[in-house]
Amino acid sequence: DQQVKQNSPSLSVQEGRISILNCDYTNSMFDYFLWYKKYPAEGPTFLISISSIKDKNEDGRFTVFLNKSAKHLSLHIVPSQPGDSAVYFCAASAILPGKLIFGTGTRLQVFP
Amino acid sequence: SQTIHQWPATLVQPVGSPLSLECTVEGTSNPNLYWYRQAAGRGLQLLFYSVGIGQISSEVPQNLSASRPQDRQFILSSKKLLLSDSGFYLCAWGRQNNQPQHFGDGTRLSIL
Repeated sequence: DQQVKQNSPSLSVQEGRISILNCDYTNSMFDYFLWYKKYPAEGPTFLISISSIKDKNEDGRFTVFLNKSAKHLSLHIVPSQPGDSAVYFCAASAILPGKLIFGTGTRLQVFP
Repeated sequence: SQTIHQWPATLVQPVGSPLSLECTVEGTSNPNLYWYRQAAGRGLQLLFYSVGIGQISSEVPQNLSASRPQDRQFILSSKKLLLSDSGFYLCAWGRQNNQPQHFGDGTRLSIL
């Protein structure tokens, strides 16, 4: 049972435009959500997170939106840069001690 | 600042051979520690987690085991590797709920 889903395996965006990565979840007990960025042969790097008591969190070019009623979150990257090209994972947590459930990832390619 | 180290970076092992992957964390005490696996084309799957020395919780039945002999050391082991054990193994540490986990650079394990 896939509790966290990223239905788009890949996304291609032109440099300077907005990148929108989507994630859906099924478990209403999830109360903390994260986005990670991963380059090949490296571990994931934490990008941004949001608690279920909020609907938006912003950090520089990265904004995460949470729609609890739809069980949906998204990551917006504005403006997109070639260095943003990587695989992005969303993750959710609800259970002690902070176990994360990951989606399958979306590969973002930002072209000039 | 906190750092996490995993080794080796890559490993090629024959079927039936033993395995030992090591992970150490520096710059923090009493962290929660995690082992994840990323199989080809899939998301990160939590294998084991530990909230303290000698305490191990297993998430999925499998051919692997974990141990935490010291506060900041986490070891992933197997007595006899299977072909299905191939994958990218990641160690992570975290502090508590609603805090991000931070990952090492991973070990690429290939079973022949």
